[in-house]
Amino acid sequence: GIQVEQSPPDLILQEGANSTLRCNFSDSVNNLQWFHQNPWGQLINLFYIPSGTKQNGRLSATTVATERYSLLYISSSQTTDSGVYFCAVLYSGGGADGLTFGKGTHLIIQP
Amino acid sequence: SAVISQKPSRDICQRGTSLTIQCQVDSQVTMMFWYRQQPGQSLTLIATANQGSEATYESGFVIDKFPISRPNLTFSTLTVSNMSPEDSSIYLCSVSGPRGTEAFFGQGTRLTVV
Repeated sequence: GIQVEQSPPDLILQEGANSTLRCNFSDSVNNLQWFHQNPWGQLINLFYIPSGTKQNGRLSATTVATERYSLLYISSSQTTDSGVYFCAVLYSGGGADGLTFGKGTHLIIQP
Repeated sequence: SAVISQKPSRDICQRGTSLTIQCQVDSQVTMMFWYRQQPGQSLTLIATANQGSEATYESGFVIDKFPISRPNLTFSTLTVSNMSPEDSSIYLCSVSGPRGTEAFFGQGTRLTVV
């Protein structure tokens, strides 16, 4: 099946810092999403971005499908940004209709 | 986006028993899925819930252990059968439109088996 690798696995930053999270995938996709999992376990949709660039406030994301990677940018980090960020993809060649998740990036923002 | 309600939100169960988790969506959706998140791990797809027919299970998951129903386009259940402590996880329901469209998740059911 398709492989999804996220880096870095852990990231500790001071409030106000900027960060870049990376997601590499091994094959062509027709869905790529970024999620934030809060401390209560809820998955919050950040971006649906199988290709191109999107921005939402302090967050933005870019997917370069031909090179099989996506980046999530967080600017001016706040403590509420802490949590686990997951990238998830859907292989375009068939198989399971559900998403394949990376292992996540655990982000800690210190005050 | 659809509003997804999962019940229960959490439970503590005795080993050897079964728990049924419900997923209700406020609008008709094409696809419904069930995922498992073991402690400290990522999410793994258990199965696609198919309306009116047997679910499609992923490798490592079987119907006898995780029976799934989907009687209509807004409701599905996942049963975790004959539970052991290794089944302690968060179980999440997810919905989407046609294949490849954006997926949304319920708040999850946090299950502890003692």
